[in-house]
Amino acid sequence: IAGITQAPTSQILAAGRRMTLRCTQDMRHNAMYWYRQDLGLGLRLIHYSNTAGTTGKGEVPDGYSVSRANTDDFPLTLASAVPSQTSVYFCASSEASGASNEQFFGPGTRLTVL
Amino acid sequence: GQNIDQPTEMTATEGAIVQINCTYQTSGFNGLFWYQQHAGEAPTFLSYNVLDGLEEKGRFSSFLSRSKGYSYLLLKELQMKDSASYLCAVRDSNYQLIWGAGTKLIIKP
Repeated sequence: IAGITQAPTSQILAAGRRMTLRCTQDMRHNAMYWYRQDLGLGLRLIHYSNTAGTTGKGEVPDGYSVSRANTDDFPLTLASAVPSQTSVYFCASSEASGASNEQFFGPGTRLTVL
Repeated sequence: GQNIDQPTEMTATEGAIVQINCTYQTSGFNGLFWYQQHAGEAPTFLSYNVLDGLEEKGRFSSFLSRSKGYSYLLLKELQMKDSASYLCAVRDSNYQLIWGAGTKLIIKP
């Protein structure tokens, strides 16, 4: 593994189903993030984690949950998917949550909820 | 509220220079980032400004004026591979990134 990986690459999901998007990084970064990207809108932060064992809510957290049991993994769960959650989801990480720390992004998961 | 404004789309010619502007209104300021995103791919880091002035990195330069809430990304000697979206993001008082919608840059031969 080099950098950040996400799985699956894409998924079509029936409304009401539960789905977990996986994210793993091998850079030993402390901070991790989940964003969604929709056409015409900027990246919007869903949840974040500044360090293993802690999580926080971003701009659009409703309908999503996360956990950070260890440094490397940061899964995002949709408990009961709805069509408005159709989007491209990016996981990102940074060495720390400080000002100058750039974020590195995974390749994204394209999710369609029908 | 917090707001990042960028032009939606710009067109430029191969070999030319283009300037992509970004204006922001955020709760606090802890730096401004520019990212490049090719279609269907992840964003990749280009530059970071926290002090006023120009930061140069090869063909790309980024400028910041904190008093004006303004930044621009300057791309010189444009190449076809520079066709991409360019995302401006500001780190706010909570150290979270607030993102603009991005500027799609189209390069014509």
